[in-house]
Amino acid sequence: DGGITQSPKYLFRKEGQNVTLSCEQNLNHDAMYWYRQDPGQGLRLIYYSQIVNDFQKGDIAEGYSVSREKKESFPLTVTSAQKNPTAFYLCASSISQQGRDTEAFFGQGTRLTVV
Amino acid sequence: AQKITQTQPGMFVQEKEAVTLDCTYDTSDPSYGLFWYKQPSSGEMIFLIYQGSYDQQNATEGRYSLNFQKARKSANLVISASQLGDSAMYFCAMREGWRGNYQLIWGAGTKLIIKP
Repeated sequence: DGGITQSPKYLFRKEGQNVTLSCEQNLNHDAMYWYRQDPGQGLRLIYYSQIVNDFQKGDIAEGYSVSREKKESFPLTVTSAQKNPTAFYLCASSISQQGRDTEAFFGQGTRLTVV
Repeated sequence: AQKITQTQPGMFVQEKEAVTLDCTYDTSDPSYGLFWYKQPSSGEMIFLIYQGSYDQQNATEGRYSLNFQKARKSANLVISASQLGDSAMYFCAMREGWRGNYQLIWGAGTKLIIKP
């Protein structure tokens, strides 16, 4: 079955540690995104990538880093510089078509908690 | 100012009734797209329906329809004949101008609970 797989589902991090969230898709989509979701708020874009080896910052990129070495994979690293990393993180992908809106497909998310 | 406003934090609806979830948006760009997504308790976002700013007719997808009132800048989601499985969070989102759909602006969501 085609889809997006995020792992782990739950992640606990100690203060000062970096952690990496995995996102893999087998939909052959060019574009991939990382969003952060906090209670009572809409999603906020962290990073996005339209093609391999290229990515751009979203609205809240500070304290995060990404890589896009393969089309299928877009891992997100939450660094120790991120002041408030406890949140629900969603990865998504979509077809990238110039001038045309396309829907995004989402993974089931990773809930990160700082302990 | 909020770009996407969902005024109903939560709603209770009787099973089989129709339900309208409100969404108002704010943009001065003539080109924009509006999306509705459903988020069940499992966490993933599920695409429901899309309306482009230049679309002449209201979008429909099965039991979902979008009541698009451009002059009022509203894009309300209508779910006909609600089912227990419709209980979830619902989010309205907007692609504004030529930023691309990777830069959607999201509302805070409405929690819908369907009562048996």
